[in-house]
Amino acid sequence: DQQVKQNSPSLSVQEGRISILNCDYTNSMFDYFLWYKKYPAEGPTFLISISSIKDKNEDGRFTVFLNKSAKHLSLHIVPSQPGDSAVYFCAASARETGANNLFFGTGTRLTVIP
Amino acid sequence: DTAVSQTPKYLVTQMGNDKSIKCEQNLGHDTMYWYKQDSKKFLKIMFSYNNKELIINETVPNRFSPKSPDKAHLNLHINSLELGDSAVYFCASSQDQSYTQYFGPGTRLTVL
Repeated sequence: DQQVKQNSPSLSVQEGRISILNCDYTNSMFDYFLWYKKYPAEGPTFLISISSIKDKNEDGRFTVFLNKSAKHLSLHIVPSQPGDSAVYFCAASARETGANNLFFGTGTRLTVIP
Repeated sequence: DTAVSQTPKYLVTQMGNDKSIKCEQNLGHDTMYWYKQDSKKFLKIMFSYNNKELIINETVPNRFSPKSPDKAHLNLHINSLELGDSAVYFCASSQDQSYTQYFGPGTRLTVL
């Protein structure tokens, strides 16, 4: 049973515009959420995270929004750049199951068109 | 310097063989992990080690065994390889009690 879902396998955006990647989860015990970026033939790279006590966290061009009531989070990238083209994974963790047990979504492939 | 490294990057082998994948981290982290990414790109945790103790063991066949000679290394041994073991295996590490995990580049295992 997949507890973290990314329903859009791919997304194409023009350079300079906003990219919005979405993630839904089912386990209400999740209290920490992360986004990872992955290039081909490389491992996932940590991008940004958010604790459940917040509803927004911003780091440069990247902002993560958390809506706990909807069990939904999103990653906004603005402005999008061609170098942002990669697969983005959403991940979640629950303290009760152990801080180190991350559940991943299946990823969204972002293509930023120059 | 690579923070989390894995060897080999590619591994092609026959069914029934025994193989190992090595992982090393130079971040001084206390916890290391192995993940499997299957053909559907689903990344799922297999094992984690904290201070030489196994703290997570998901529903993984006992043909897979992690070995940690020290806290900077967590190697993955696989016995009697099967076709379904073909996947990309990622090693990761984190500081104890930290949620952020740092991943290695992956090892693509192909079982023929």
